[in-house]
Amino acid sequence: EPEVTQTPSHQVTQMGQEVILRCVPISNHLYFYWYRQILGQKVEFLVSFYNNEISEKSEIFDDQFSVERPDGSNFTLKIRSTKLEDSAMYFCASSETGGLATYEEYFGPGNRLSVT
Amino acid sequence: GQNIDQPTEMTATEGAIVQINCTYQTSGFNGLFWYQQHAGEAPTFLSYNVLDGLEEKGRFSSFLSRSKGYSYLLLKELQMKDSASYLCAVINQAGTALIFGKGTTLSVSS
Repeated sequence: EPEVTQTPSHQVTQMGQEVILRCVPISNHLYFYWYRQILGQKVEFLVSFYNNEISEKSEIFDDQFSVERPDGSNFTLKIRSTKLEDSAMYFCASSETGGLATYEEYFGPGNRLSVT
Repeated sequence: GQNIDQPTEMTATEGAIVQINCTYQTSGFNGLFWYQQHAGEAPTFLSYNVLDGLEEKGRFSSFLSRSKGYSYLLLKELQMKDSASYLCAVINQAGTALIFGKGTTLSVSS
């Protein structure tokens, strides 16, 4: 069964460093998402992406964050200058359709980011 | 804005039936999802409701009442492996994101 993959599974970085989290969505999916989950807290929406541009972003997704689809398979989340509070599990998701149609988002296993 | 409420924790025994409730307030409604999340893992899809009524899928069923802003997830014949967090989520008004509740942690004991 096709699945979303994410690398690295765990990244440790120092405050102020840049990190890039990588995701490979399911190949025929058109909509891509990033969510984050701080330990013990709820899953929070960051950004959605379709047709090579951001569809929507939350208030969490400030200027320190950016997303890119550099080729036909990868979808990346970059944090420009990490802060301690960026420590969280970052989930990538993809869906075949989006907008107001029925859609199921398939989640990847997550990138755990630890900022020290 | 959107607000989703669900109980923080529930406990049940193997073989029992448990109902996890979710209430929501949204500006516009485009559908409601239930996801299961085991500790340290990704959410996995359980069900989707957009019309009123009950959707049954094996041991799991989900119910929706749009007029009441209310949904529940019903788990039958509980197994130990059902111990997990159950996340209620609604599609945002633009249809571009899922907004999750805090989740209900279910503990199943023998």
